[in-house]
Amino acid sequence: QVQLQESGPGLVKPSQTLSLTCTVSGGSISSGSYYWSWIRQPAGKGLEWIGRIYTSGSTNYNPSLKSRVTISVDTSKNQFSLKLSSVTAADTAVYYCASLSRVVIGDYYYYYMDVWGKGTTVTVSS
Amino acid sequence: DIQMTQSPSSLSASVGDRVTITCRASQSISSYLNWYQQKPGKAPKLLIYAASSLQSGVPSRFSGSGSGTDFTLTISSLQPEDFATYYCQQSYSTPDSFGQGTKLEIK
Repeated sequence: QVQLQESGPGLVKPSQTLSLTCTVSGGSISSGSYYWSWIRQPAGKGLEWIGRIYTSGSTNYNPSLKSRVTISVDTSKNQFSLKLSSVTAADTAVYYCASLSRVVIGDYYYYYMDVWGKGTTVTVSS
Repeated sequence: DIQMTQSPSSLSASVGDRVTITCRASQSISSYLNWYQQKPGKAPKLLIYAASSLQSGVPSRFSGSGSGTDFTLTISSLQPEDFATYYCQQSYSTPDSFGQGTKLEIK
């Protein structure tokens, strides 16, 4: 069973770049059935989808963050990463990485996030 | 972007109760709807995918239904471990979006 673990600084200064890594264990990040996603959750609030990457390198980002987000993959390290630039206090949140799996039902593909990391708290403060 | 709206936002119920949570999409999403359970301090856990398919290992008291814009998550007989926050999520089009959550509390 694939397991995910987020890592990175817990404190980032305003205007700087938040950088997080998600390490995949128990399976290869290059497996063709997976996308790799980032989601965040401010304290006491709901979930916000940040974006995802396929192992080919193709990406999808939330338009609300697109100008500041970069998601990349390093297959040699079995990791994928998130960079969020020009952070403000509004970017303070628990950040989760997750795997996006796919199933075929009838003639259609359905996607769902079935494996999640435990999450890492990032605080933006000077 | 597709907006997801859950109701109610919070719900009090007792062990053994049957509970239904509703999720409505701002446009048709066919059956591209997933349900997650989140307990305090923990990551979300997938319960239901494709509107009605039960994720492996999830108890059969959880069920999902609906298509188009209206969906429901039903817990047939609440157990103590079911008190948590539940989120719906659409995977029909990017950006993926979540409902605001339904907090299920003990009465």
